[in-house]
Amino acid sequence: AQTVTQSQPEMSVQEAETVTLSCTYDTSENNYYLFWYKQPPSRQMILVIRQEAYKQQNATENRFSVNFQKAAKSFSLKISDSQLGDTAMYFCACRGANSKLTFGKGITLSVRP
Amino acid sequence: NAGVTQTPKFRILKIGQSMTLQCTQDMNHNYMYWYRQDPGMGLKLIYYSVGAGITDKGEVPNGYNVSRSTTEDFPLRLELAAPSQTSVYFCASSHPRQPPNTGELFFGEGSRLTVL
Repeated sequence: AQTVTQSQPEMSVQEAETVTLSCTYDTSENNYYLFWYKQPPSRQMILVIRQEAYKQQNATENRFSVNFQKAAKSFSLKISDSQLGDTAMYFCACRGANSKLTFGKGITLSVRP
Repeated sequence: NAGVTQTPKFRILKIGQSMTLQCTQDMNHNYMYWYRQDPGMGLKLIYYSVGAGITDKGEVPNGYNVSRSTTEDFPLRLELAAPSQTSVYFCASSHPRQPPNTGELFFGEGSRLTVL
């Protein structure tokens, strides 16, 4: 079984600044994927970034990057140059070989103008 | 480029009524999933399917049934609706039959169900 923990229920950041969202996970799998999904008020689930556990290099997608610490089972998301459109709920998720995606409870991010 | 399509988007049910949430995907994915999202919470897996004719329970299957007669369709049936089933429901798919498999799930837009 997998568990994903997001301990911060909400965060706020000034536009153009950088913010880091925390996530820890637990899995017995050796090969797994980690994801960050964004859910804006439209409630659509949008993939932000993915990390394959066997890759040591941290994934990066434009303003979004992760800090993947495999031994510590930590997977934080850094958003640089925050924009108003980044305001959303963000979910960390883990997927093992059984293909079931397990989500954390999410964090509400507000970007202030 | 439809992706994953869910219907209806909104529905109000009375206690004890039954209904089916429809889900179809046109990406030739093997795996399909149903999740529910309660306010302020993450998504919890109800049922999933790894291919036509194969289904399995997730974390919260009670009060629901599914079937997978084709690769494209994965309907979710609510029998004897209860207020505890008030939620937003998401269908998702993954695992294309042809590589590459990036591991991610592709989600529908969600269906908001209220049971009164």
